[in-house]
Amino acid sequence: QVQLVQSGAEVKRPGASVKVSCKASGYTFIAYYIHWVRQAPGQGLEWMGWINPNSGGTNYAQKFQGWVIMTRDTSISTAYMELSRLRSDDTAVYYCARDREMIFDLDYWGQGTLVTVSS
Amino acid sequence: QSALTQPPSASGSPGQSVTISCTGTSSDVGGYNYVSWYQQHPGKAPKLMIYEVTKRPSGVPDRFSGSKSGNTASLTVSGLQADDEADYYCSSYAGSNNFGVFGGGTKLTVL
Repeated sequence: QVQLVQSGAEVKRPGASVKVSCKASGYTFIAYYIHWVRQAPGQGLEWMGWINPNSGGTNYAQKFQGWVIMTRDTSISTAYMELSRLRSDDTAVYYCARDREMIFDLDYWGQGTLVTVSS
Repeated sequence: QSALTQPPSASGSPGQSVTISCTGTSSDVGGYNYVSWYQQHPGKAPKLMIYEVTKRPSGVPDRFSGSKSGNTASLTVSGLQADDEADYYCSSYAGSNNFGVFGGGTKLTVL
C-alpha cells in the first residue's frame, strides 16, 4: 500500500533551518510529484511547492522562493524539504503529499511533522 | 496567489444535506476542471474526497459529490453522518506558474 512516512517533530530557534524528510513506499517513487503543504496551528492549508522526483526539478510558491529548498534521494525513495531563516510564524505542521496526476490532486499524504520555532 | 474563498462554517442534522462553496477566479477554479476537496479530522492529515471537480477516489462514499459553475465550486454531503464532522478544504490547479491554491477551510458541524 502507498505510504508516505515523515520524520519526527522538531524544535528550532529563530533564524535556524529545518529539514523534514518524507519516505515513500508502495509505489514507484519517481513516477509522482511530491508536494509540501503546511498548516499553522488552527489555520488552513498552505501550498509550499513541489518536486519532481524523477528530474529533481522544483516549483516553489512565490512566498517561499529563496528560503525553501526541496530535494530528493531516489536511492531511498525520500523527499526532503528544508526551510531556512525560521521565524516564530513558521511554527506549523508540515505535510508531504503525492500528486495523483500533476493537476494538484493530492491522493496520499504523510502523517505530518510539527516544527516549532521558539526562543 | 490569493486563497480560495470558503464559508468558515456549515452545519446540518444527521440525514440532511449540506453544500459548501469555494469561490476563486478565472485563473484557478474557473479556468480549469481541476478542483479537489479534502476532509480533515482534528489531528489528522487531509484526505482526498473529490478530484477533477466531480470524481471520487475509491472508497469515498457516493454521499459526497462535487460540482462547479463558473468561478465557484461546491461540495455536497448528503445523508449527513456524525463522522462527516470535520474541516473541509477545496483546492484548485492554477496554472504552471502559481500551480496550486487552497481555500481557507470550512468547519462542518453535524448537529
